[in-house]
Amino acid sequence: GQQVMQIPQYQHVQEGEDFTTYCNSSTTLSNIQWYKQRPGGHPVFLIQLVKSGEVKKQKRLTFQFGEAKKNSSLHITATQTTDVGTYFCAGQDSSYKLIFGSGTRLLVRP
Amino acid sequence: DGGITQSPKYLFRKEGQNVTLSCEQNLNHDAMYWYRQDPGQGLRLIYYSQIVNDFQKGDIAEGYSVSREKKESFPLTVTSAQKNPTAFYLCASSMKSRPNTEAFFGQGTRLTVV
Repeated sequence: GQQVMQIPQYQHVQEGEDFTTYCNSSTTLSNIQWYKQRPGGHPVFLIQLVKSGEVKKQKRLTFQFGEAKKNSSLHITATQTTDVGTYFCAGQDSSYKLIFGSGTRLLVRP
Repeated sequence: DGGITQSPKYLFRKEGQNVTLSCEQNLNHDAMYWYRQDPGQGLRLIYYSQIVNDFQKGDIAEGYSVSREKKESFPLTVTSAQKNPTAFYLCASSMKSRPNTEAFFGQGTRLTVV
């Protein structure tokens, strides 16, 4: 069945450093979504990528979707303490089944 | 005010008991999902439904059951067959019309077996 893998599992950075998390699917995806979960909270939708090779930016966050539509990345430039949380990618295939990666937990030292 | 509501927020269950977690949405979404999250872990799909009176098993459906009698409601029953039910349960819903299929999550239910 469809699997979505995400690395690294966690990353601890100094405030101001950059951060990247990577997502890989075992199958071709219709789209990829990214979510952020704050400690003790629930996942909140950040963005969706649909097209092969698509790149989208939200302020300091840059999202990419691979050419083969099987991988994606999230890059945060100059992290801030407000970026703390777990970032999940979620892949959706031709059905509406939404499979989440294992998440990358980001810790930021002030 | 539109949204997705899960209840209760905290639930305690004795071993051998079935419990039902509620999930209601007023977003007019067709698709609904149940996920399980263990401490420090990702979200694992239990069941999902794309339409009323139809649902599919996810990756960890054993020991769980669902129903989808109404578009707004997708309750999850954790049965006594689920050997390790203590976890954080998240319900989500989304539209089916692409490309706007982002999922909206409820606040979650923390289930503890005592």
